[in-house]
Amino acid sequence: GAVVSQHPSWVICKSGTSVKIECRSLDFQATTMFWYRQFPKQSLMLMATSNEGSKATYEQGVEKDKFLINHASLTLSTLTVTSAHPEDSSFYICSARDYGASDEQYFGPGTRLTVT
Amino acid sequence: RKEVEQDPGPFNVPEGATVAFNCTYSNSASQSFFWYRQDCRKEPKLLMSVYSSGNEDGRFTAQLNRASQYISLLIRDSKLSDSATYLCVVNPNYGQNFVFGPGTRLSVLP
Repeated sequence: GAVVSQHPSWVICKSGTSVKIECRSLDFQATTMFWYRQFPKQSLMLMATSNEGSKATYEQGVEKDKFLINHASLTLSTLTVTSAHPEDSSFYICSARDYGASDEQYFGPGTRLTVT
Repeated sequence: RKEVEQDPGPFNVPEGATVAFNCTYSNSASQSFFWYRQDCRKEPKLLMSVYSSGNEDGRFTAQLNRASQYISLLIRDSKLSDSATYLCVVNPNYGQNFVFGPGTRLSVLP
């Protein structure tokens, strides 16, 4: 299957700082990438859909000014958590669609964010 | 009604047991279906796609019933390493966002 990388794998930051998470598709071009958040023992929650070259589409209840998404190339999307607070501590996972024959979705390994 | 629903679980089974998970979806026009597994504190990983004719991959068998709008996953001869959360995923239409079920947790006990 296709490979999606995510960096960093974990980060600890102080309240009020911003954190950038990168998501890369390594062996295919991803015109669309997705950002999810998952709290302990809960389901994946889709935050936004990131389209290369255009603005991201945010799900209801997700603040676009707090979670900045940039999809500048066909292999890279970034999520910046601005002015992070402890309640933003979560597992952030990106995924990329391979719109080839399989139309499958592949996930990055996730980034565990802890805000102190 | 939620778009994708799964057996609530958790399922606790002994090694070697056969276990089946069910999933139902509400959108009758849904195009493709998948089972993912997610280990604790890890990302979901594609386990198998589900085809109309049903498909098998080793100890895993997936079935799709479009008329009843449900998908199943059967695991035979379960191993300790099968312990994970199994996510049912539905693609409503080509190019649309996948819809994830809440997951069913499986614990295989020695």
